[in-house]
Amino acid sequence: GQQVMQIPQYQHVQEGEDFTTYCNSSTTLSNIQWYKQRPGGHPVFLIQLVKSGEVKKQKRLTFQFGEAKKNSSLHITATQTTDVGTYFCAGPRGQGGKLIFGQGTELSVKP
Amino acid sequence: DAGITQSPRYKITETGRQVTLMCHQTWSHSYMFWYRQDLGHGLRLIYYSAAADITDKGEVPDGYVVSRSKTENFPLTLESATRSQTSVYFCASSGAGVGVEQFFGPGTRLTVL
Repeated sequence: GQQVMQIPQYQHVQEGEDFTTYCNSSTTLSNIQWYKQRPGGHPVFLIQLVKSGEVKKQKRLTFQFGEAKKNSSLHITATQTTDVGTYFCAGPRGQGGKLIFGQGTELSVKP
Repeated sequence: DAGITQSPRYKITETGRQVTLMCHQTWSHSYMFWYRQDLGHGLRLIYYSAAADITDKGEVPDGYVVSRSKTENFPLTLESATRSQTSVYFCASSGAGVGVEQFFGPGTRLTVL
């Protein structure tokens, strides 16, 4: 069945270092979404990418959607302690509003 | 305030008991979802609903029952709780369409002893 995989599962960085998480789908996606979940919190929508090769930036966060629309990445430049949390990618699952989520990448930042 | 709420936020129950988790949204979103979150598994879809009186199974529906008599409410019932159902449960809602962003409730942390 359809799968969305994320790597790495965990990433520990020193504050100021860069961070990247990768998302790979077993099927071509019409779009991909990214969510952030702070420790003890709930997932919060960050962004959606729709076009092949699309790149979007939100301050220090850069999101990319692969040319084949089967992979995506989130890159954070110069991490801060406020970036701590788990980052999930998600793609549409079948018809309707269902999403399939990757397992998430948990980011910890050491001050 | 508009939003999506869940109750209770924390629940401890015993094996074999029935427990219902409540979810309420004020946006009149068509779609509502129940997920469970466990270490190493991310978010797994239990059930979803496209509209009032329309529900369908997700990835892990066994042991759960849902109903949606009103657009704004989507309760999840564990008919006979098992230890394996210890988890954090998130309710979410979204507007109609493919790939529309989902809005998550604060979650219910359920422990089954």
